[in-house]
Amino acid sequence: EAGVAQSPRYKIIEKRQSVAFWCNPISGHATLYWYQQILGQGPKLLIQFQNNGVVDDSQLPKDRFSAERLKGVDSTLKIQPAKLEDSAVYLCASSLDRWQNYGYTFGSGTRLTVV
Amino acid sequence: GNSVTQMEGPVTLSEEAFLTINCTYTATGYPSLFWYVQYPGEGLQLLLKATKADDKGSNKGFEATYRKETTSFHLEKGSVQVSDSAVYFCALREGTALIFGKGTTLSVSS
Repeated sequence: EAGVAQSPRYKIIEKRQSVAFWCNPISGHATLYWYQQILGQGPKLLIQFQNNGVVDDSQLPKDRFSAERLKGVDSTLKIQPAKLEDSAVYLCASSLDRWQNYGYTFGSGTRLTVV
Repeated sequence: GNSVTQMEGPVTLSEEAFLTINCTYTATGYPSLFWYVQYPGEGLQLLLKATKADDKGSNKGFEATYRKETTSFHLEKGSVQVSDSAVYFCALREGTALIFGKGTTLSVSS
């Protein structure tokens, strides 16, 4: 079974620029999550999708972050404009159902550095 | 709100030593508890979980018991290997998402 695919693996941008991350979940996984992991901290949920609908985006900084999940499969997370404090690893995860009865599967993440 | 607190790392051990990584939580009710592991350059992987009080999760020689009296879910392994070197995250389920601790780095030398 293929895992959760994320790209790019690394990205360096200047502050105030925009950036986009892509995630392809495991086939058949209805639930998709984006987490932000700042160095030295645990992952923090940004947004959760169930198929192509948003379940929870309460911790997404909506003035600069946006996300979508086209046709309930792939997802993109965008930051515009980026700030220095957005430097982090952005993790995508998927699960068969919302209640994680089968656990999450995480991708390897995209490491963003804002300079 | 709900939260997870893990012991500070790094934890440095010799091969075959006993491992304990402490994890305590603050939550309303009795949420499911998890340990995830992140090997260098890889994504987080589910290591074990427990869904109710007194449950013991186990996998790959690791164990953790859900203790509601002490609100704890400590990770243990009787004999660590070099290949166990990784970052370990304790987490609890809140609604349909996870709340993670800060992670504990384990380094095992031969």
